[in-house]
Amino acid sequence: EAQVTQNPRYLITVTGKKLTVTCSQNMNHEYMSWYRQDPGLGLRQIYYSMNVEVTDKGDVPEGYKVSRKEKRNFPLILESPSPNQTSLYFCASRKWGGMNTEAFFGQGTRLTVV
Amino acid sequence: KNEVEQSPQNLTAQEGEFITINCSYSVGISALHWLQQHPGGGIVSLFMLSSGKKKHGRLIATINIQEKHSSLHITASHPRDSAVYICAVRLIINTDKLIFGTGTRLQVFP
Repeated sequence: EAQVTQNPRYLITVTGKKLTVTCSQNMNHEYMSWYRQDPGLGLRQIYYSMNVEVTDKGDVPEGYKVSRKEKRNFPLILESPSPNQTSLYFCASRKWGGMNTEAFFGQGTRLTVV
Repeated sequence: KNEVEQSPQNLTAQEGEFITINCSYSVGISALHWLQQHPGGGIVSLFMLSSGKKKHGRLIATINIQEKHSSLHITASHPRDSAVYICAVRLIINTDKLIFGTGTRLQVFP
């Protein structure tokens, strides 16, 4: 089954404790992205990647890091989480085809930083 | 002013009603996406449009590039259609930058 898998689904952590949210897709997609969703603000893009070793900042990259060492994986790293990073996070992927293609989303990771 | 505006923000309907959700944008785009988010959080892509009209079951999406406007229609609405519907625009082809509207919360009552 074609899917984007995020882990964990839920995470409560303390301020300053490094964490990684993993994202994996099994569709051989070139594009992968991370978003955060906050009440009243909607979805905002954190980082995106157009292929292996190619990443770029979205609209709200501060406090986050990403890497794309393999095509299928795009982990989101919070080196020193803060309470303002409490949010619902989504990973998404889509195929590059020289034209617009459908996006596939993971199930979301609800992160609470206390 | 947001670059992507949706209306209405909230919508309630009786089962069977015809529903329209609107999305207006102020930037040049290569495509527009309609997404559905059910309670519990998962997001599903419903449509991707760059012109014209698409239909999938009871759902119809249209886009008018000149007017920078898109609509999502649901015919014969059902309680299982209750969800948040999100419009997102892709700015430039071959990048992955998306700008999202804040969503329309739809509740359909039996």
